[in-house]
Amino acid sequence: VLTQSPDFQSVTPKEKVTITCRASQNIGGSLHWYQQKPGQSPKLLIKYTAQSLSGVPSRFSGSGSGTDFTLTINSLEAEDAATYYCHQSSGFPYTFGQGTKLEIK
Amino acid sequence: QVQLVQSGAEVKLPGDSVKVSCKSSGYIFSAYYLHWVRQAPGQGPEWMGWINPKGGGAAYSEKFQGRVTMMTDTYSNTAYMEVTSLRSDDTAVYYCARSSVADRQKDAFDIWGQGTRVSVSS
Repeated sequence: VLTQSPDFQSVTPKEKVTITCRASQNIGGSLHWYQQKPGQSPKLLIKYTAQSLSGVPSRFSGSGSGTDFTLTINSLEAEDAATYYCHQSSGFPYTFGQGTKLEIK
Repeated sequence: QVQLVQSGAEVKLPGDSVKVSCKSSGYIFSAYYLHWVRQAPGQGPEWMGWINPKGGGAAYSEKFQGRVTMMTDTYSNTAYMEVTSLRSDDTAVYYCARSSVADRQKDAFDIWGQGTRVSVSS
C-alpha cells in the first residue's frame, strides 16, 4: 500500500512544494511519480525515485529509499496544477498512491 | 513518434463483456511489456496486469484473475484486454501503458494510451 500526503494542497506560484509517499513495506528504489491533469492520461515525471526524464522540467525532483519517498517541485508554476501519483513496481501487484491534488492560488 | 492509441468509449450492461484495443506505433512492439491500468471516477489508478508481446505471456492482479484476459497481435502491433462479467463498479477509464525499459516488466510506465471510457449501467 502506498499512502501519499497531503491529499490536497493549495499553493502560490514560485512556492516550493513537497509531496510524500510512504510504502507499507520496503520497495527499495522502485518508486515512480506521475502528473495527471483533468481529462488527460498520467505523465511520467520521475522514475526509480530520482531519475529525471527528458522533457520534464528540472524543477521536478525526487528522493527517498525503502519506505519513504518525496517529490519536490521547486518554484511552482501555474501549469503544475494537477494531481500527482506515486507508483511502486517492486511488489506484485503494482500499486499507486491515492493522489495529491495541487491547486494554484 | 512513440504512441499508443486506444479504441473508443463503450457502454455496457451488467454481465456484458468488453474488449479494448491499444495500437502501438513508433517503436518495436515486441520489445516492451504493456500494462493495463484503470481509473474509476475520482479515484487513483489501479494496475490490472501486464502482457509480454514477445511470446504472449501475461500476469494479472489477483483482483481481476478469471475476469480479465490480455492478448496481443504482433502483426498489427495491437494489444487487447477483455473484461467479462462486467459490474457497475467496473465503470472506469481503462489505459494501456508501456514499460519504460525494454524487456522489463517491473518498471515505470512512460507511454500511455489516451484511455477508453467504459460505462456499465442497467
